[in-house]
Amino acid sequence: KNEVEQSPQNLTAQEGEFITINCSYSVGISALHWLQQHPGGGIVSLFMLSSGKKKHGRLIATINIQEKHSSLHITASHPRDSAVYICAAEKGAQKLVFGQGTRLTINP
Amino acid sequence: DVKVTQSSRYLVKRTGEKVFLECVQDMDHENMFWYRQDPGLGLRLIYFSYDVKMKEKGDIPEGYSVSREKKERFSLILESASTNQTSMYLCASSLSLRVPQHFGDGTRLSIL
Repeated sequence: KNEVEQSPQNLTAQEGEFITINCSYSVGISALHWLQQHPGGGIVSLFMLSSGKKKHGRLIATINIQEKHSSLHITASHPRDSAVYICAAEKGAQKLVFGQGTRLTINP
Repeated sequence: DVKVTQSSRYLVKRTGEKVFLECVQDMDHENMFWYRQDPGLGLRLIYFSYDVKMKEKGDIPEGYSVSREKKERFSLILESASTNQTSMYLCASSLSLRVPQHFGDGTRLSIL
């Protein structure tokens, strides 16, 4: 079993829908990262959080330390949000354990 | 904005060749990383460097070496390329955190 599990693996939705991507981890962590990978391959860091909730534009990330669970939400989704979303658990110094990613497709 | 530049987007090499993947960052970051990304496995750390000439092995260093002669440049070397090293390779950097913050666009390497 992977230390970091994401669900769903693939998600297709219509423009405007509210999107939720889930990440569960089985290890003790110091922080949880959410990353976005565009079709061309480049990766952008979206959030790093160790408690509570963070918001940036239409993106919201939450974490529940007790339940070892994090979610990434996208409000009013748009086709340009189509990408692979990756969560990564930070276990210690330079140690990131990555999930397998969730491929999100938003249709117009 | 921080720019992490990988020298090639696509590269095709033959088994047994010595392969160099180059990565340059323009923001004087201390830390640089090399990852490979394979379907179903996510990103895995190959090597990490926290200063010039300093390096640490990651999770999968076998078959790879690295060079960091200047702060801005971190090279990944496949000493004798093999087909199981066909993958997407991603370079990353960070200023002070020992986790990656800024990624390059990746190099898709095929070993024939």
